[in-house]
Amino acid sequence: ETGVTQSPTHLIKTRGQQVTLRCSSQSGHNTVSWYQQALGQGPQFIFQYYREEENGRGNFPPRFSGLQFPNYSSELNVNALELDDSALYLCASSLDRAYSPLHFGNGTRLTVT
Amino acid sequence: AQSVTQLDSHVSVSEGTPVLLRCNYSSSYSPSLFWYVQHPNKGLQLLLKYTSAATLVKGINGFEAEFKKSETSFHLTKPSAHMSDAAEYFCVVRGVDGGSQGNLIFGKGTKLSVKP
Repeated sequence: ETGVTQSPTHLIKTRGQQVTLRCSSQSGHNTVSWYQQALGQGPQFIFQYYREEENGRGNFPPRFSGLQFPNYSSELNVNALELDDSALYLCASSLDRAYSPLHFGNGTRLTVT
Repeated sequence: AQSVTQLDSHVSVSEGTPVLLRCNYSSSYSPSLFWYVQHPNKGLQLLLKYTSAATLVKGINGFEAEFKKSETSFHLTKPSAHMSDAAEYFCVVRGVDGGSQGNLIFGKGTKLSVKP
């Protein structure tokens, strides 16, 4: 069974640029959630996708957007990057929207300079 | 709204001694509670979960947690710490309100250090 994989592992961008982070779900999982973990903090929920549709969103501005594809892989896009966007971005997949445990990838470390 | 509070930001124990990581929760519903562990530069690994079947929950690597409704607590314990237990531990409640339906609300984390 393949776990959740994220790419790239590290990324450096300049303020104002745009970035795309990618996530492959664990086999059989139809739900993907994205979290932002700032240094020294717990992860914060960005949004969730279920069968290619957004299914819940945390307190993040519209410049954070996502996609889920028919194979249930997912992308997180961030426009107009700000210094405070520097964080570890974690993707998690699960068997369903609400009750199954989330399985996390190792994350993408984004640094905005 | 759901929330969790981890009472200690840092806990230090000696190898072979017991571990206690404290967590209080707030929830207007019967909560689903979890403990996750994060080793340096790694993602999060599920240690255990409580979903109202039994108040004492056993997890991986010898960890367990007890759900106490009267105290709104869900403390994580282990009888004997191992050097490999050094990591960041997160107490988590599953959200059930609006936009957080089915998603996780994390505490701020407790860093566990284990001394030889």
